[in-house]
Amino acid sequence: ETGVTQTPRHLVMGMTNKKSLKCEQHLGHNAMYWYKQSAKKPLELMFVYNFKEQTENNSVPSRFSPECPNSSHLFLHLHTLQPEDSALYLCASSLFGQGKNGYTFGSGTRLTVV
Amino acid sequence: AQRVTQPEKLLSVFKGAPVELKCNYSYSGSPELFWYVQYSRQRLQLLLRHISRESIKGFTADLNKGETSFHLKKPFAQEEDSAMYYCALGTNAGKSTFGDGTTLTVKP
Repeated sequence: ETGVTQTPRHLVMGMTNKKSLKCEQHLGHNAMYWYKQSAKKPLELMFVYNFKEQTENNSVPSRFSPECPNSSHLFLHLHTLQPEDSALYLCASSLFGQGKNGYTFGSGTRLTVV
Repeated sequence: AQRVTQPEKLLSVFKGAPVELKCNYSYSGSPELFWYVQYSRQRLQLLLRHISRESIKGFTADLNKGETSFHLKKPFAQEEDSAMYYCALGTNAGKSTFGDGTTLTVKP
């Protein structure tokens, strides 16, 4: 699949579980992002990575832990989540410093916390 | 600080009617404006960008710096246009700011 690929597509986890979301892009982009999409807040920026370095953490609780080993891969490690964390988690990528190009989004991971 | 406002959470029109989705922004620098669309069960995707001055699927959007607006327009709405639309403001610092979105429903 070209573009931005997210796995898994769906995830159900208990509040004591530890799981990870994965995002991968081969578009030559150097910036990657995690967004949370829910009915309450339509599109909420969580983290920004530029050339593997985290440049923004939008006051996200520590139960969400991002990891960016290289410019093509981005992870979101989850632990001791709450039911209110259930949402669609979107990954996006772009060419950092070139705002005119816009973002390419993945299909998202639908997370349900039980 | 940059901000994007989409005043209408929901918008409903009949097929064949004109549609305008409003977007206003605030930014002290030179903005790059985008419209993204999310059809049901599909990924969020870029619809158009102001710098390209393009028309995609019959939609156009003109940047009005005086009114700080970037409204999305289509003269004749189609049922397949029903979707969630986000306006976004990009800067060369990399981060884009998104509005809260407008859900467009085109009724037959």
